[in-house]
Amino acid sequence: GQNIDQPTEMTATEGAIVQINCTYQTSGFNGLFWYQQHAGEAPTFLSYNVLDGLEEKGRFSSFLSRSKGYSYLLLKELQMKDSASYLCAVRDHGIKAAGNKLTFGGGTRVLVKP
Amino acid sequence: DTEVTQTPKHLVMGMTNKKSLKCEQHMGHRAMYWYKQKAKKPPELMFVYSYEKLSINESVPSRFSPECPNSSLLNLHLHALQPEDSALYLCASSQGEGRDTQYFGPGTRLTVL
Repeated sequence: GQNIDQPTEMTATEGAIVQINCTYQTSGFNGLFWYQQHAGEAPTFLSYNVLDGLEEKGRFSSFLSRSKGYSYLLLKELQMKDSASYLCAVRDHGIKAAGNKLTFGGGTRVLVKP
Repeated sequence: DTEVTQTPKHLVMGMTNKKSLKCEQHMGHRAMYWYKQKAKKPPELMFVYSYEKLSINESVPSRFSPECPNSSLLNLHLHALQPEDSALYLCASSQGEGRDTQYFGPGTRLTVL
């Protein structure tokens, strides 16, 4: 079975840093994705980790520890536009021909206050 | 370019209607997906097409019928839906190999009366 946990909601101040944790227990692991989703809009890809360590991309960084089944997304220098839901998704396997299957966590709503 | 387009943006239909949702990508992606998303919930996978063939059906009721006419297009045919089927329907595509990131379209907001 698949179990992916994230906090439901977090609040932070503009300019600050927020860390969103994601823990997972899945039958297989073949990569972890983070997506951002503004209300009523489509998820947009933020980052991808398949090996242990930190991936940095501008104000966003993502970390993975496969042995601990743990990832986090770090958002620095928060801006008001960062208010959104952040979805952690685990890929457990690829599909024989093409494509893959993602299982999403429940998402973390981040509210950035002035 | 990572654009996936979906039409219509909004759809209201009665329980006896037949309608279709359309999705298009021109990135040469070989895998395409349909997801259903209810408010404040994560996307739930419905179907996966690989090289225009149905690879995964997540036990979706037969009132939802997917179709992949060619490598760029994906349709979702709707018939005899229930009010609880009201949701945001998202289409996604991916290259089909390597990192295989899924890129999502803007979605169709469906309301079943």
